[in-house]
Amino acid sequence: AQSVTQPDIHITVSEGASLELRCNYSYGATPYLFWYVQSPGQGLQLLLKYFSGDTLVQGIKGFEAEFKRSQSSFNLRKPSVHWSDAAEYFCAVGAGLTGGYNKLIFGAGTRLAVHP
Amino acid sequence: GAVVSQHPSWVICKSGTSVKIECRSLDFQATTMFWYRQFPKQSLMLMATSNEGSKATYEQGVEKDKFLINHASLTLSTLTVTSAHPEDSSFYICSARDDVTFPYEQYFGPGTRLTVT
Repeated sequence: AQSVTQPDIHITVSEGASLELRCNYSYGATPYLFWYVQSPGQGLQLLLKYFSGDTLVQGIKGFEAEFKRSQSSFNLRKPSVHWSDAAEYFCAVGAGLTGGYNKLIFGAGTRLAVHP
Repeated sequence: GAVVSQHPSWVICKSGTSVKIECRSLDFQATTMFWYRQFPKQSLMLMATSNEGSKATYEQGVEKDKFLINHASLTLSTLTVTSAHPEDSSFYICSARDDVTFPYEQYFGPGTRLTVT
């Protein structure tokens, strides 16, 4: 069965420090991978996505993620965190449709706190 | 870009009443929409897949008679929580799938917070 694991429930970093949020997935075929961010009480905002091609994906707000098939990972990175990055981050895999995806399966989320 | 709206953004209702939540794709047609539920500080769980002109497909454990889904047009899906109880209080998020452009991406609405008193 498809699944997404985000091992870190809560991460705290200092403003200006680098960030890496981990995501591992389980999926039999070529995955469609996503990172979303959610501020308290808000909906989801897509940060970036991987469908195919270059395994290093650039997103909005200075985020990037690298797809590593051998490790079944899609970790999110940012070189310098801003206080406004404090939020909940969700990794997701799209599954269930040949040549595309139907369902989105979400990880449990990682809550990021940023210290000034 | 693709925009999905939800209405209302928040609603409070009394136990035993029903409440309807609308999900609209504003600038594209969506034959398929999805309804998710999110409890506080938890992840999103897919409740059901809404198909235009046909019955919704519910995930295991979701009561179809309690969560009624209607997808009457290519831009509108509604979720009705019937006989709501406090345990139905949650954040409900819909998404709409662009069925025209590969790989048929999903776009999310801003969510509806339901509180049942």
